Amino acid sequence: VQLMESGGGLVKPGESLRLSCVTSGFTFTSHYMNWVRQAPGKGLEWVATLHPGNNYIFYADSVKGRFTISGDIAAKYLFLQLDSLRVDDSAVYYCARAHLSGYNFGFDSWGQGTLVAVSS
Amino acid sequence: DIQMTQSPSFVSASVGDRVTITCRASQGITNWLAWYQQKPGKPPTLLIYAASSLQSGVPSRFSGSKSGTDFTLTINNLQPEDFATYYCQQANTFPLTFGGGTNVESK
Repeated sequence: VQLMESGGGLVKPGESLRLSCVTSGFTFTSHYMNWVRQAPGKGLEWVATLHPGNNYIFYADSVKGRFTISGDIAAKYLFLQLDSLRVDDSAVYYCARAHLSGYNFGFDSWGQGTLVAVSS
Repeated sequence: DIQMTQSPSFVSASVGDRVTITCRASQGITNWLAWYQQKPGKPPTLLIYAASSLQSGVPSRFSGSKSGTDFTLTINNLQPEDFATYYCQQANTFPLTFGGGTNVESK
């Protein structure tokens, strides 16, 4: 199982970024896929969840209306479109796979993360 | 939203000690509680799911338990590689929420 994020960078407030997570080693459509972020020196914050098999989608209130989670089933990619970025969106963004039995069972595989920095 | 109150924020311990970390949910989450370990500069790793089930490959010195809306992670016979930050996560209801973390540091 491998997950690898890319697409992070330094942007100004109000700008956009698209994060990607390439996955391999498992059936992409069988797992809830997630984005979790961690601001520098802070704790973990769940951001969004997508089930590629049935397209169920959930967002944290802090990003709803600004971020969009999506997936490419054929290529086994998970995406997170970040629009209207704010300074407090600055964080390492992790792609995480939920346990095969469902999101209730936790996130059992994580990527190394990609850093998003929002600053004027 | 379900709030997860994790305590303590810091634990100072020695190799061989038993360490106990607690998370309290603001409302019932049945058994849907996961524990993670995170080392500096690394992503979290899943230790325990469904309150007390040990993730494959995790040493048996880690255990989880539940009492009402209180959940406990216990590390028996603390090893050098266990110094890290630990997080709980309620996985019952969206939005999924994490506890604030517990930093287990060397005394």
